[in-house]
Amino acid sequence: GEDVEQSLFLSVREGDSSVINCTYTDSSSTYLYWYKQEPGAGLQLLTYIFSNMDMKQDQRLTVLLNKKDKHLSLRIADTQTGDSAIYFCAERPGGYQKVTFGTGTKLQVIP
Amino acid sequence: DTGVSQDPRHKITKRGQNVTFRCDPISEHNRLYWYRQTLGQGPEFLTYFQNEAQLEKSRLLSDRFSAERPKGSFSTLEIQRTEQGDSAMYLCASSSSRSSYNEQFFGPGTRLTVL
Repeated sequence: GEDVEQSLFLSVREGDSSVINCTYTDSSSTYLYWYKQEPGAGLQLLTYIFSNMDMKQDQRLTVLLNKKDKHLSLRIADTQTGDSAIYFCAERPGGYQKVTFGTGTKLQVIP
Repeated sequence: DTGVSQDPRHKITKRGQNVTFRCDPISEHNRLYWYRQTLGQGPEFLTYFQNEAQLEKSRLLSDRFSAERPKGSFSTLEIQRTEQGDSAMYLCASSSSRSSYNEQFFGPGTRLTVL
């Protein structure tokens, strides 16, 4: 079955890099996503990576995928206070539309 | 506002009552999803529609839950004989089948409290 795990909390200083980690179990995952949830706001897709990729960079965001270890990470460069939110890792197996989310990592950015 | 909208935003009900929630997706999106999110957890998939057809359904969706999308536009999620364990945020999302990576756009959610 599908299971996605994340650490619950991460605290970083403003200007530092943040690295949020995720492990998943479904080897048939085709797409892996990072979503951001701010208090009182809906979930927002930040970035995604296709399973045949190792890395994807999008401005301050870098996604690394280690398919062998089923490990996904999100690096946020030059973290700002506006990055404080809960970040969810999610995966979707090929041929299905169901997306399985992790429990979320709360990122706290200290000014 | 052309985003996903949900109604109501909050619902308080007594145990045993029935409740119905509505979701209006982004107008050009043919796919619609329902998720449930409890405090401290990520969203859990409940069901998925492509146009009016319900194509995927989670085992989490007990017989008390039913979802419809009769004309392939808005959708309703009904919970019969609510239980306290049904208290959660119910999220709706929509996407277009033209998106290869299936970006789902989420609504603000309906928070259900069962007393």
